Amino acid sequence: KQEVTQIPAALSVPEGENLVLNCSFTDSAIYNLQWFRQDPGKGLTSLLLIQSSQREQTSGRLNASLDKSSGRSTLYIAASQPGDSATYLCAVGGIQGAQKLVFGQGTRLTINP
Amino acid sequence: ETGVTQSPTHLIKTRGQQVTLRCSSQSGHNTVSWYQQALGQGPQFIFQYYREEENGRGNFPPRFSGLQFPNYSSELNVNALELDDSALYLCASSLRGTDGYTFGSGTRLTVV
Repeated sequence: KQEVTQIPAALSVPEGENLVLNCSFTDSAIYNLQWFRQDPGKGLTSLLLIQSSQREQTSGRLNASLDKSSGRSTLYIAASQPGDSATYLCAVGGIQGAQKLVFGQGTRLTINP
Repeated sequence: ETGVTQSPTHLIKTRGQQVTLRCSSQSGHNTVSWYQQALGQGPQFIFQYYREEENGRGNFPPRFSGLQFPNYSSELNVNALELDDSALYLCASSLRGTDGYTFGSGTRLTVV
């Protein structure tokens, strides 16, 4: 059974800092890994999708890496801004059966002006 | 290109009642999944539909059921509502699942 863990559960940093969010998963047999952003009480916004054959993806100030062998992914946010404050969720897409996503519990990020 | 839309946005029901939530998938997507997100938790997979057939189910009781229509829109039905069913229900669509999922804004269900 796939389990996804995100550390830390909460993070507060001053504006302008570069930061890294961590995601680990127990089963390396995955199709892909997707990072999402969720604002309070809202739905999920997809940030980056990494296929199992890829090592990293970049979009603007965001960079996500994937190391299947060690069961880890990181989301790097450069030059953080107050608007980046949200909960960040990673989700692993499995190989077996339906392509369901298994989510971590998220990291609640606060960027202080 | 339209995204995933869900209705209603908020809903209050009484314990024991039944509820139907609706989802219109993103244009061109033939796979739809439903997730339940309790407060402070990550979303949990309920089930998935591909071309009108259920092709995967999470650890949810049979009182959670669904449908997918020929236009790939979908419904989630929950019977005999319990207080613990209070959550944000998220719908997600994909073309093949391996291409990633697009999520809707969710329906906030409160059971009293």
